[in-house]
Amino acid sequence: GAVVSQHPSRVICKSGTSVKIECRSLDFQATTMFWYRQFPKKSLMLMATSNEGSKATYEQGVEKDKFLINHASLTLSTLTVTSAHPEDSSFYICSARSGSKNIQYFGAGTRLSVL
Amino acid sequence: QKEVEQDPGPLSVPEGAIVSLNCTYSNSAFQYFMWYRQYSRKGPELLMYTYSSGNKEDGRFTAQVDKSSKYISLFIRDSQPSDSATYLCAMTGGNEKLTFGTGTRLTIIP
Repeated sequence: GAVVSQHPSRVICKSGTSVKIECRSLDFQATTMFWYRQFPKKSLMLMATSNEGSKATYEQGVEKDKFLINHASLTLSTLTVTSAHPEDSSFYICSARSGSKNIQYFGAGTRLSVL
Repeated sequence: QKEVEQDPGPLSVPEGAIVSLNCTYSNSAFQYFMWYRQYSRKGPELLMYTYSSGNKEDGRFTAQVDKSSKYISLFIRDSQPSDSATYLCAMTGGNEKLTFGTGTRLTIIP
């Protein structure tokens, strides 16, 4: 299957700092990437849909100024959590859509802890 | 009513048993159906992908889709301890967003 790389896998930061998470499709071009947030023992919650070369589309209730998404190329999307606070601590997962089959391949996730 | 219903479990079965995981859905526009496996603190891994109705087999895994009943299943034969994980069904009508089930936590007991 297609490979999606996500970095870092774990980050601990102080409250008020910004954190950038990278998502790369390694062996295919992804015009669309997705960012999810997952709480313990819960399913994935879509935060935003990222299309290459255009602004991301955010789900209702997700602060676009808080969670900055950039999709500058067909293989890279980034999520920046700005001025992070303890309530932003969570597991963030990206995915990339491959071709026309509507299959999403997921990264390994990033565990963010804000102190 | 949720668009996708999935029994959250937890489900515990002995090693070697056949496991049956199921999801029901209400949106008749769904055409693409997926099963993902997620280990603790990892991202979901695609196991099976099916378009429209029918069966698909890959090794010990079989996916079934019955669009008339709006019901999908994943069967795991000869279950192994390494199969212990959370299994998520997901589906879409082609508008790119996936709708997920809540996930079923499965434990295979050696």
